[in-house]
Amino acid sequence: EVQLLESGGGLVQPGGSLRLSCAASGLTFSTYAMNWVRQDPGKGLEWVSLISGSGDTTYYADSVKGRFTISRDNSKKTLFLQMNSLRADDTAIYYCAKGRGDITFGGVIVTWGQGTLVTVSS
Amino acid sequence: AIRMTQSPSSLSASTGDRVTITCRASQGINTYLAWYQQKPGKAPNLLIYAASTLQSGVPSRFSGSGSGTDFTLTISCLQSEDFATYYCQQYYNYPITFGPGTKVDVK
Repeated sequence: EVQLLESGGGLVQPGGSLRLSCAASGLTFSTYAMNWVRQDPGKGLEWVSLISGSGDTTYYADSVKGRFTISRDNSKKTLFLQMNSLRADDTAIYYCAKGRGDITFGGVIVTWGQGTLVTVSS
Repeated sequence: AIRMTQSPSSLSASTGDRVTITCRASQGINTYLAWYQQKPGKAPNLLIYAASTLQSGVPSRFSGSGSGTDFTLTISCLQSEDFATYYCQQYYNYPITFGPGTKVDVK
C-alpha cells in the first residue's frame, strides 16, 4: 500500500520560509512524478508544483513560481517543497500527491497524503 | 493558464437520483481531464482520468464523457456515500488547473 506522510507545516510570518517534506513508502518512488497540491480550508484545490521521477523536470503554478522550489531525494523516497517569501494567501493545507505515471500522466493524482497545514500570519 | 469552470456550483439530490456535473475548459484539452471526489476533512480521491477511464476500485455508477472543451461526470444512481464535492482537473498542459468544485448535498 502506498503511503505518503507530510511534515514541516506550521505558523510562519509573512516573508518567512518553510520547508515541507513528504516521506513515501510502498512504491518504486523514482518511477513516479510527484506533486504538491494545496487547499485553503473550506475552499477549492490549487495545484502547486510537479517534479518528474528523475527530478530533472519541474513545473510550477504561476502563483508560486520564483518563490517555491520542489525537489526530491529518490534514495530516501522523500519529496520536498521549499517555500520562500511566504504570503498570507499561501495559507493552506499542503498535500503531497503521487502521479499516475511520470510526466504525461504525472498530474493525474492517484494517491494523496493526509496534508500539512501552513499558516502565514503575523 | 487553462481556466476550468464547473456547473452547477452546488446541487441538492436524493439517494437514487441520476446526477450530472459539467466541466468546461477555456481551450481544447483533448481528453486530458480527471475527476476527483472530496469529502469534508479528507483528501480528494481520483474517480476518472482520460475523461472516461474509471480508476481502479471506483464504483461503476460513476462515468465520465467528453473531449475538447466540454466534459461531464455522471452518477447514475446516487448513493449516501456520494454526497461530497467534485472537482475536474486538466492535465493537458502546465500549469495544471482544477475547476472550482461542485458540491452535491442532500435534498
